[in-house]
Formats: sequence, structure tokens, C-alpha cells
Amino acid sequence: EDKVVQSPLSLVVHEGDTVTLNCSYEVTNFRSLLWYKQEKKAPTFLFMLTSSGIEKKSGRLSSILDKKELFSILNITATQTGDSAVYLCAVEANAGGTSYGKLTFGQGTILTVHP
Amino acid sequence: EPEVTQTPSHQVTQMGQEVILRCVPISNHLYFYWYRQILGQKVEFLVSFYNNEISEKSEIFDDQFSVERPDGSNFTLKIRSTKLEDSAMYFCASRTTGGYTFGSGTRLTVV
Repeated sequence: EDKVVQSPLSLVVHEGDTVTLNCSYEVTNFRSLLWYKQEKKAPTFLFMLTSSGIEKKSGRLSSILDKKELFSILNITATQTGDSAVYLCAVEANAGGTSYGKLTFGQGTILTVHP
Repeated sequence: EPEVTQTPSHQVTQMGQEVILRCVPISNHLYFYWYRQILGQKVEFLVSFYNNEISEKSEIFDDQFSVERPDGSNFTLKIRSTKLEDSAMYFCASRTTGGYTFGSGTRLTVV
């Protein structure tokens, strides 16, 4: 059974702090790892990672994947109150051939940023 | 930016009733999914749909559930006889090379 574990489960920081969120996985036929931000309803896409060691950046957020050790990290620098959300890690498996497969989600990390 | 649209945003139904949740995926996407999230729990995969047929389904997706793409734009999830434990947020998603896009969800409450 595919498994995704995120840590920590929750994190409380102050504005300006830097945070690192962790995601480890065990997935058969790995295709990609995705990070989402969930505030009230729909998960909002942040990053999709397919190759080891290549950092993806978007503003203050960055992420990297290690396919040998089966984990990924999401970094947020200079946190703001608007970063408060649940951050979800999900791993996509191949469905067979080149078909896209399902996502298996972790339980999420609840990030709270205080002013 | 293209969106996945879901309706209704919230539905309350009585146990045993049938519900249909509707989704309009992004127009040039070909892979469609339903996920659900019970309050306080992980997002769980229900079913994937490609080329007008189910390509994969989870153990949750039993005979009470069905999916359809009736007219080439809408993508529906039907629950035939709802149970209390079907209460959850249901998310539709579509996939292209850039990744998955999720809709804003339908909160289903079974009473």
C-alpha cells in the first residue's frame, strides 16, 4: 500500500521565520511528488517534482526531491501571516505505461504564522 | 487561469437519498478524478476517469458510487443511497502535463 507521511503535523512560528516541512513516501511506480496549500477548501498547487536534486522555487517557497531517500522538503522563508494554511504533500503513481495515476496524500502540516 | 468548477458548494441530504455532484473540468484536460476528505482526515482517492471509462478506483468506490461524463464537459459523481459516513468534502480534479488542478469542492452532509 502506498504511504505518504508528513512532519511535523503542526508548526507555529512568527512572521519572518523560516520553516521546513518534510514529506517521506513509499510508493510503487513513482511518477511525481506534488505540494499543495489548502486554506479553506480546494488544495492550491505549489510544486510538482519529478527529478532528484533539482530545486523548484516560487518566490519565498522552494522544494526539492530526493528519490534515493524517498523524501521531499518544502521551505518557506520570511514567513507571513498569509502563509498560514495546511500544506499537503501528495505522491503520484504511474497507472501503467505513461498514464497518469492517482495521488496518495499525506495527512498535512498545519502551519500557523503569528504576527 | 483555467479553473475546475464544482456545484453545488454545499449539499445536505437525508440518509438513503441519491446525490449527484457535478464538476466541469478544464477543457483541454483528459484525465479526471474524484477525491474526498472526511473532516480532519487525509484527502483520499476515489476514482480516475480517462477516455470515457474508469481507469482506476479505490476500495471506497463501491457499487453505491458511479461516475459519468454525459456531455463532454460535465463530470459527475453519483452516490446512489447515501450513508452518514459519506459526509465529506468531495473534490474533482483534472490532470494535464503541468499537474493536477482541483475544484473548490462540494461539502456533502448526510443527515
